[in-house]
Amino acid sequence: EAGVTQSPTHLIKTRGQQATLRCSPISGHTSVYWYQQALGLGLQFLLWYDEGEERNRGNFPPRFSGRQFPNYSSELNVNALELEDSALYLCASRSWEQFFGPGTRLTVL
Amino acid sequence: RKEVEQDPGPFNVPEGATVAFNCTYSNSASQSFFWYRQDCRKEPKLLMSVYSSGNEDGRFTAQLNRASQYISLLIRDSKLSDSATYLCVVNMHFGNEKLTFGTGTRLTIIP
Repeated sequence: EAGVTQSPTHLIKTRGQQATLRCSPISGHTSVYWYQQALGLGLQFLLWYDEGEERNRGNFPPRFSGRQFPNYSSELNVNALELEDSALYLCASRSWEQFFGPGTRLTVL
Repeated sequence: RKEVEQDPGPFNVPEGATVAFNCTYSNSASQSFFWYRQDCRKEPKLLMSVYSSGNEDGRFTAQLNRASQYISLLIRDSKLSDSATYLCVVNMHFGNEKLTFGTGTRLTIIP
């Protein structure tokens, strides 16, 4: 069974640009979670999508947004990138436990 | 006060030793608890769920103390492959899922 997949693996952007990150959950999972892990910090909850709707949101500004598609895959969009947005962005899907994808490492120059 | 607190370590432990980590959480209404491990530059992977009655999986034992609001993880007969960062994770809201992660405890097993 395929796990959670994310693309791209690495993404390099400059300040002010927009980034789009993608995630496909494990087959049969309808919930997708997004987390940010900045260097030296713990995982910070960003967004939770379930059945195509945003269910919960962490303490991040509105320039962090996303959506979930009918096939339960998800996109995370980060607008007006700032240097401190550089981090590993992890997507997870769940049945009981959450299973994580390998992450997208976003670097903002 | 952080919602989930862990000693960041690092813990440097000789191979074969027993090591224990504790984690405290602030919200007494927390519903479910987990330990994840994260290897360097990799994604977190579930190590074990933590139940009120305590649970054991091979060399690993996890316990939950709701009264004191802490979770523990015990690793016996530690192996080199146990070197990783161990993340304490708490689900605050049943039905409104939002896992809250501790910042992790870094463990290095020394040969």
